[in-house]
Amino acid sequence: GNSVTQMEGPVTLSEEAFLTINCTYTATGYPSLFWYVQYPGEGLQLLLKATKADDKGSNKGFEATYRKETTSFHLEKGSVQVSDSAVYFCALSDRRAAGNKLTFGGGTRVLVKP
Amino acid sequence: EPEVTQTPSHQVTQMGQEVILRCVPISNHLYFYWYRQILGQKVEFLVSFYNNEISEKSEIFDDQFSVERPDGSNFTLKIRSTKLEDSAMYFCASSETPSAYEQYFGPGTRLTVT
Repeated sequence: GNSVTQMEGPVTLSEEAFLTINCTYTATGYPSLFWYVQYPGEGLQLLLKATKADDKGSNKGFEATYRKETTSFHLEKGSVQVSDSAVYFCALSDRRAAGNKLTFGGGTRVLVKP
Repeated sequence: EPEVTQTPSHQVTQMGQEVILRCVPISNHLYFYWYRQILGQKVEFLVSFYNNEISEKSEIFDDQFSVERPDGSNFTLKIRSTKLEDSAMYFCASSETPSAYEQYFGPGTRLTVT
C-alpha cells in the first residue's frame, strides 16, 4: 500500500534560518503529493501540492519538488518567521482510487524562535 | 472565507457509550471525509462519502462506525460503542468535487474515552 515517511521533529530554528523537512513516499501508482500545515488550535490547511513528476509546488515562500527518481517531496523555505511555527504534514493521494483519500506522514513540528 | 466546522471541540465519554461527532462541510462541497489522529501517531483515513453513500473506507472503519448526512448541511460520524482505543482527534474534511485536489479540513474534535 501507499505510505509516507517524514523526518521527526521537533525542529527548532532561529528566525531567518533555512528550513528543510524531508519527505519520502511509497506508492503503487502515480500519486499527487501535498504538504499540509496545522497551526495551533486549527485544522489542516493545504500549503502546496504537485501532481506529477518534476512539478514544483510553492506557496508563502515554501517550495517542494516532486522527485519521482528519489520518491521524495522535501519541503524548503529560505527564511523562516516566527509565524511559521506549526506542524507540517506530507501527504499523498492516488487519484485513481475511488475515494481520493489522503495518506499522511507522521508530521513534523517546527518551532521558530525570535 | 468558507470553512469546515466541527462540534464539539472536545467530547469525553465512557467506554461502551455511543458518540456522534458533527461536521458542517463547506456549503457547495460534495465530497466528505473523516480522518483520525491518535495522540503521537499519523493522521489516518477513515471514510469518504459522496452522493449519499460511502465511496471508500479503511480497515479501521468497522461495524462500530457509521456516517450520515442527515440534512443538507451536516455530516456525522457515529461510534456505536466506544472503546478506549477510539480516543483520538477526529478531523472532518470536504472537497468541491471528487477529483478536486484540495480537501478542506475542520479544526477537529478531540474524543476521550474513559
